[in-house]
Amino acid sequence: QSALTQPRSVSGSPGQSVTISCTGTSSDVGAYNYVSWYQQHPGKAPKLIIYDVSKRPSGVPDRFSGSKSGNTASLTISGLQAEDEADYSCFSYAGSYTHWVFGGGTKLTVL
Amino acid sequence: QLQLQESGPGLVKPSETLSLTCTVSGGSIRSSTYSWGWIRQPPGKGLEWIGDIDYSGTTYYNPSLKSRVTISVDTSKNQFSLKLSSVTAADTAVYYCARHVPGSSMCDPWGQGTLVTVSS
Repeated sequence: QSALTQPRSVSGSPGQSVTISCTGTSSDVGAYNYVSWYQQHPGKAPKLIIYDVSKRPSGVPDRFSGSKSGNTASLTISGLQAEDEADYSCFSYAGSYTHWVFGGGTKLTVL
Repeated sequence: QLQLQESGPGLVKPSETLSLTCTVSGGSIRSSTYSWGWIRQPPGKGLEWIGDIDYSGTTYYNPSLKSRVTISVDTSKNQFSLKLSSVTAADTAVYYCARHVPGSSMCDPWGQGTLVTVSS
């Protein structure tokens, strides 16, 4: 069982927006602004798309955005495109003992 | 452009030690800015953080793996390594190496990953 809880799957039609949640606790997501999101296509390595809750690396489209409220971080993808179909995982700092934890991953299907 | 590449045996016997190396190209591992880490993904499952080593050689490990994990750096070869002892079938996974920016949740770039199967 992963430390951070994500929905197993979400779906949306092209052009729509979807939001993926990542729920932790007051010891990880809720305590620090150190949450990142990774996109992973089948058979490929994860790719960083959001870091430190809401920062976007260069080259990542602004259709991808991140936010946090309390113990839950969220990734929103607007203007869905077929190539957005992938697995998405969150990653959070969890303090000086546990250090870092991942979510279980969410499969995004573009209908 | 910084690139990372994992290498090592694809098959390890139960109770033995898994050893992997990550070779960094396009930049020096000696930079004081970055940490270097390992993440794994069992087939069909989610990602699991294994541990990091920072520029000073300080290591940080997943508490659930700490008793079996060693991460080290060889600056002369621009490589860092993972050793996981007493492996079982549960350690079968794709193992990734990645650069981790200290004071940030940024892990980028990642290596392509290497599948390690634990089986007799």
